[in-house]
Amino acid sequence: AQTVTQSQPEMSVQEAETVTLSCTYDTSESDYYLFWYKQPPSRQMILVIRQEAYKQQNATENRFSVNFQKAAKSFSLKISDSQLGDAAMYFCAYGGSQGNLIFGKGTKLSVKP
Amino acid sequence: DVKVTQSSRYLVKRTGEKVFLECVQDMDHENMFWYRQDPGLGLRLIYFSYDVKMKEKGDIPEGYSVSREKKERFSLILESASTNQTSMYLCASSLVSNYGYTFGSGTRLTVV
Repeated sequence: AQTVTQSQPEMSVQEAETVTLSCTYDTSESDYYLFWYKQPPSRQMILVIRQEAYKQQNATENRFSVNFQKAAKSFSLKISDSQLGDAAMYFCAYGGSQGNLIFGKGTKLSVKP
Repeated sequence: DVKVTQSSRYLVKRTGEKVFLECVQDMDHENMFWYRQDPGLGLRLIYFSYDVKMKEKGDIPEGYSVSREKKERFSLILESASTNQTSMYLCASSLVSNYGYTFGSGTRLTVV
């Protein structure tokens, strides 16, 4: 069975700085998708970024980018120029052949002014 | 704007009550999912559905059931609520799972 591990329960970053959230996963599949979701204190989960495993190029969305290392089964999220609105729970998720997403336990990110 | 709507944001129920959590999506998505979210445990899949009248058990289905009579609506049922079902419940839908989910705002259920 696939698993997703987020080893950092909490992280903190200074406003305007860069922070990297870690995620590792375990799978025997070769074709899959990886996601980062953000859950602000208002609770609605929103998709931040998506990566297709067959693509070597790392996905980017404005200030958000990933470092996808397929051989190492690592999928970290980098947030550049951190803003107060980036404070949230961040969840890493795996989507494979089973059809549903498997989530990590989350990392709580605080942004200091 | 596409939406997944959960009928209640906060709910307080008594032990032993039958509880219905409703979820409606307006995106014509085939797939719908129910997760519960607990601190330190992340999101755990309760049930999911890939089509009308179809349901599949997730990782923690005990004490729950679901109903999907129409494509847009996916209901989670707690047959006899217990205090250990106090949690945040998240509904999600997707057209194709590997494109990611759209989530509802969540229902914070407290069983007393």
